[in-house]
Amino acid sequence: GDSVTQTEGLVTVTEGLPVKLNCTYQTTYLTIAFFWYVQYLNEAPQVLLKSSTDNKRTEHQGFHATLHKSSSSFHLQKSSAQLSDSALYYCALSDHDYAQGLTFGLGTRVSVFP
Amino acid sequence: ETAVFQTPNYHVTQVGNEVSFNCKQTLGHDTMYWYKQDSKKLLKIMFSYNNKQLIVNETVPRRFSPQSSDKAHLNLRIKSVEPEDSAVYLCASTNWGNQDTQYFGPGTRLLVL
Repeated sequence: GDSVTQTEGLVTVTEGLPVKLNCTYQTTYLTIAFFWYVQYLNEAPQVLLKSSTDNKRTEHQGFHATLHKSSSSFHLQKSSAQLSDSALYYCALSDHDYAQGLTFGLGTRVSVFP
Repeated sequence: ETAVFQTPNYHVTQVGNEVSFNCKQTLGHDTMYWYKQDSKKLLKIMFSYNNKQLIVNETVPRRFSPQSSDKAHLNLRIKSVEPEDSAVYLCASTNWGNQDTQYFGPGTRLLVL
């Protein structure tokens, strides 16, 4: 089956500094889509980025990620973290078996300090 | 407003009771899901429902059962709750076949005493 690995459980960063969240995956399928979801406290997870194109940079709300199939990675980055970025971030993938829904990583909590 | 709505927000019950949670989406999607988010924030698929076809994740205990009246509604019933059922249950919807974004509801937090 598919699996998604997020290596950091907690990332702390000072406001204004860059932040990077790692995401790697394993799948046997060729047709896959990748997502970064963000979940603020007591709210629904909401999509931050989506990509299914190899080596293409995707950007939204100051965050960016590039799918690299050669290294099975979809890392999330932001050049300047804001206090409002404090949240739980999930990397997820969807393969051709739509019935299986999304496969999520364990999540990375980001805490931005002044 | 188009979105995914869930009720109740929060439910407290005792072991052995039956509970039901509701989910409605107004996004015009044809597929709905239930996920469980446990105390460690791990998110796992429980059910998917598309065109009257229900797909059950094999790890889901039989006391859980989804119920749908149409493609916009997918409710979740737990026949006899156990302490390990304490979690947040998230409903999501999407369109089948395009690996489209899934949109989530705010969740129902269940506490089993």
